[in-house]
Amino acid sequence: EAGVVQSPRYKIIEKKQPVAFWCNPISGHNTLYWYLQNLGQGPELLIRYENEEAVDDSQLPKDRFSAERLKGVDSTLKIQPAELGDSAVYLCASSDSGGGDTQYFGPGTRLTVL
Amino acid sequence: AQKVTQAQTEISVVEKEDVTLDCVYETRDTTYYLFWYKQPPSGELVFLIRRNSFDEQNEISGRYSWNFQKSTSSFNFTITASQVVDSAVYFCALSGLGETSGSRLTFGEGTQLTVNP
Repeated sequence: EAGVVQSPRYKIIEKKQPVAFWCNPISGHNTLYWYLQNLGQGPELLIRYENEEAVDDSQLPKDRFSAERLKGVDSTLKIQPAELGDSAVYLCASSDSGGGDTQYFGPGTRLTVL
Repeated sequence: AQKVTQAQTEISVVEKEDVTLDCVYETRDTTYYLFWYKQPPSGELVFLIRRNSFDEQNEISGRYSWNFQKSTSSFNFTITASQVVDSAVYFCALSGLGETSGSRLTFGEGTQLTVNP
């Protein structure tokens, strides 16, 4: 069974540029998560989807970050405009449902903002 | 609010030594789940174990074992006869099911384990 797929794996951009990350969850998983992982720290949740509905986006900086999961499968996370402090690894995860189910993570996208 | 503390930032051992990674958690929820993940240098988080708050039985899987003690809010992870391939960052995480935690997975800061040959 295929795991969580993310692309790109690496992205280097200049500040003020837009950037987008894509995630394809494990087949059949209804819940999708985006996490931010800064160097030397644990991941922190940005947004959680149940199917196509964002049920927890309280930690998403909505002034520059946006996300969508239009058909309840793939998801895109966008930053516009990027700032130097956005340099981090962006992880996508999926689970069968929310509520304590095991979350399986993709390989992440390492973003560098110059 | 929920919190996970991994007091050991870095641990270095010699191959074949046993090593225990500590995890202490805080939550107001009566129902919650605890997890351990491994993050090797490649960067992908690999799931190791999930325990619910009502099951305090210790678990063993090969060289890995986990000790869950509700009385001390701890969920420690032991690797027996460590190997170089065990070198990675290990994260303990907590998911509460209460209204305030909202099923959010909270991670500790991680413990960098280095196993030297």
